Amino acid sequence: QVHLVESGGGLVNPGGSLTLSCAASGLSLSDYYMTWIRQAPGKGLEWLSYISTSGSTKIYADSVKGRLTVSRDNARNSVYLEINSLRAEDTAVYYCAVSYSSGWFDPWGQGTLVTVSS
Amino acid sequence: QSALTQPRSVSGSPGQSVTISCTGTSSDVGGYNYVSWYQQHPGKAPKLLIYVVNKRPSGVPDRFSGSKSGNTASLTISGLQADDEADYYCCSYAGSYTFVVFGGGTKLTVL
Repeated sequence: QVHLVESGGGLVNPGGSLTLSCAASGLSLSDYYMTWIRQAPGKGLEWLSYISTSGSTKIYADSVKGRLTVSRDNARNSVYLEINSLRAEDTAVYYCAVSYSSGWFDPWGQGTLVTVSS
Repeated sequence: QSALTQPRSVSGSPGQSVTISCTGTSSDVGGYNYVSWYQQHPGKAPKLLIYVVNKRPSGVPDRFSGSKSGNTASLTISGLQADDEADYYCCSYAGSYTFVVFGGGTKLTVL
């Protein structure tokens, strides 16, 4: 069975940084584009970034461009999201998901909560 | 404000059908046949229900169907069941620069 498991969330001070991880089991991530999506408390879904199979192509949403860096380690079957200059509005559950070129996502991980507060 | 417009809520009784609309523009919904729909129960991750407008992944019941006309996509759920009570999100491909846009979500209540 395919599972994606995010980790690395937690309470962070404004202005701080965090790196989220997404580990896969039951599938080889090297065969897939991967995406990060977030959901603020009580709000909708916001696509953030995707990374190609080799890592050579990375695309970011305008709302977060310059503060996010997506990367992957296919040998570790994992994808990462570094978030810098964290703000209160970055408080959200962050999901990783397998991403298809026509813009659909399946499966998703269970999410990891990032809370930005002093 | 989300890029795609969905009704905030819809409701229906068990056994009935409901339709959730998702309105965009010619730059997203109307420009590509790449609309997907997701179901999200409280505290859970979203689950893919429909992709490329009207395809169902393995395991999704045929009670769930998708369609599109112009700049508006729709998700129809027939034979409503209690477990269908959840939030539903539409998503559309929007070109290689924007990639995708989501709707604001619709809360389905099964009466």
